[in-house]
Amino acid sequence: AQKITQTQPGMFVQEKEAVTLDCTYDTSDPSYGLFWYKQPSSGEMIFLIYQGSYDQQNATEGRYSLNFQKARKSANLVISASQLGDSAMYFCAMSFFMDTGRRALTFGSGTRLQVQP
Amino acid sequence: NAGVTQTPKFRVLKTGQSMTLLCAQDMNHEYMYWYRQDPGMGLRLIHYSVGEGTTAKGEVPDGYNVSRLKKQNFLLGLESAAPSQTSVYFCASSKGGLGSNEQFFGPGTRLTVL
Repeated sequence: AQKITQTQPGMFVQEKEAVTLDCTYDTSDPSYGLFWYKQPSSGEMIFLIYQGSYDQQNATEGRYSLNFQKARKSANLVISASQLGDSAMYFCAMSFFMDTGRRALTFGSGTRLQVQP
Repeated sequence: NAGVTQTPKFRVLKTGQSMTLLCAQDMNHEYMYWYRQDPGMGLRLIHYSVGEGTTAKGEVPDGYNVSRLKKQNFLLGLESAAPSQTSVYFCASSKGGLGSNEQFFGPGTRLTVL
């Protein structure tokens, strides 16, 4: 069975500092994708970054980078130079094959990040 | 370009009532999904569709039905609402199956069943 674990229910970080949000996953599929989404208090889900299981390099998107350690089955999100607007809920998700042969996403329980001035 | 829209944004139902949530996307995406998000949890897939006229069950399909009569619309129905269906419902769409294709989410519908 596929599972995403986010062990940090809440995190605090000072503005302009970097923060790492943890994500570990469990799957038997050799091919999978890892996603991070941001959910601000307004409720919408915003895509941040994607890492494929066969990608050799860690994904980066602006201030976001994904620290992918395949052997450890971890896909931590690193946010550099935190901003007040980064305060939100962050979800790690993984794509997996369902019985139908189609992929779907399974989500972790999320980490609430609060950026302090 | 509105992206993914959902109606209504909020709804309160009594146990046993029925309702339909509408999701619309204007990106010509083939795949559409319905999720529910309960407090303290991530999203869980209810049903999904890989194209017009097709639907399939996700992780938590019981108590819900869906239809995809038009490519741009994906409807989620509750035939007889139960308090356990109180949740925030998100619709999403993607260009293709999930590889690197990101899912674009709607703003969510907050449903309360009394």
